[in-house]
Amino acid sequence: EAGVAQSPRYKIIEKRQSVAFWCNPISGHATLYWYQQILGQGPKLLIQFQNNGVVDDSQLPKDRFSAERLKGVDSTLKIQPAKLEDSAVYLCASSSEPEDIQYFGAGTRLSVL
Amino acid sequence: KQEVTQIPAALSVPEGENLVLNCSFTDSAIYNLQWFRQDPGKGLTSLLLIQSSQREQTSGRLNASLDKSSGRSTLYIAASQPGDSATYLCAVRPSYGKLTFGQGTILTVHP
Repeated sequence: EAGVAQSPRYKIIEKRQSVAFWCNPISGHATLYWYQQILGQGPKLLIQFQNNGVVDDSQLPKDRFSAERLKGVDSTLKIQPAKLEDSAVYLCASSSEPEDIQYFGAGTRLSVL
Repeated sequence: KQEVTQIPAALSVPEGENLVLNCSFTDSAIYNLQWFRQDPGKGLTSLLLIQSSQREQTSGRLNASLDKSSGRSTLYIAASQPGDSATYLCAVRPSYGKLTFGQGTILTVHP
């Protein structure tokens, strides 16, 4: 079975610019997660979707970050405007149930200059 | 607030050694604990998942234990190989809520 697909793999932008990341989860997985992983740290959950509804976005900086899950399948994460501290790897994961094992994509490495 | 700490931050061993990675957590009210592996430039791969009612899980050369009362888990890797070199992360999940990750242990196994 195909894994979690993410694009782009790398992105370099200047501060105050906008950027968007895309994720396609494993087919049939109802739960989708976006994580931010800063160098040297573990991933931090930004937002969790169950189908196309938001379950947890308590750690999403809503003044600049937004996310949506189209028709309960693909998802996009947007940052507008970006700050230097947003430099990180953005990981997408999916699971068939919220308590189940999460399968991760390769991530998008964002550098904000 | 749950906090997860992993010790050591980095570990370098010769091939063939048995080794132990440690994970501690502050809130013992967990639903499960998971160990993940992360290779450079890649996402995370789940290695072992221990439910709160279990004491250990084994997969091949890997064995993970869980002691909820003391807030500790260990990942034991037997007969280490260069291919085991990666970052190992543990994460805990409460009954309802998100995974909280440790910062990881960077393992290097040299030939």
